[in-house]
Amino acid sequence: KNEVEQSPQNLTAQEGEFITINCSYSVGISALHWLQQHPGGGIVSLFMLSSGKKKHGRLIATINIQEKHSSLHITASHPRDSAVYICAPRGSNYKLTFGKGTLLTVNP
Amino acid sequence: EAGVAQSPRYKIIEKRQSVAFWCNPISGHATLYWYQQILGQGPKLLIQFQNNGVVDDSQLPKDRFSAERLKGVDSTLKIQPAKLEDSAVYLCASSLIREPYEQYFGPGTRLTVT
Repeated sequence: KNEVEQSPQNLTAQEGEFITINCSYSVGISALHWLQQHPGGGIVSLFMLSSGKKKHGRLIATINIQEKHSSLHITASHPRDSAVYICAPRGSNYKLTFGKGTLLTVNP
Repeated sequence: EAGVAQSPRYKIIEKRQSVAFWCNPISGHATLYWYQQILGQGPKLLIQFQNNGVVDDSQLPKDRFSAERLKGVDSTLKIQPAKLEDSAVYLCASSLIREPYEQYFGPGTRLTVT
């Protein structure tokens, strides 16, 4: 079993829809990253959180440490949100374990 | 503040050739990471430096891969000789050695081995 499971693997939405991407992990963590990767390779860190909820613009990330689960929400999705979203829990040794990513396509 | 810089952005080589990648981390970031990301997978840590010392290279294929960070700033990752399965994006990241330990990633180098 993978240490980090993301769902769904692929997601297609219409512009304006509310998006949710889920992440479950089996290891103990000190924090969790949500990362965005556009075609071409570069990775941008969207959030790093260790409890509760964070909001940045149309993006919201939540984490439940007891349940070992985190979600990334995108409100009013836009075609420019199309990318791969990666969940990466950070262990007590500060090392990241990466999920395989969720490919999001937002159609106009 | 400048981000993590990597070069080249793209490289195509034939198998058995050699290749080198360069990374310049964010100024002041003592920790530097090299990751390999094969298509459809999440990044895999190859090597982690703290200043110019190696913290973790347990997943680095040492028979063909090498990395150095001689002055504790820039780093190079080398593959010699390359194999077809080395085709991937090579990502460099850096972080401070204090809270929040957040990693900042470079744009990556896409390597294609033919």
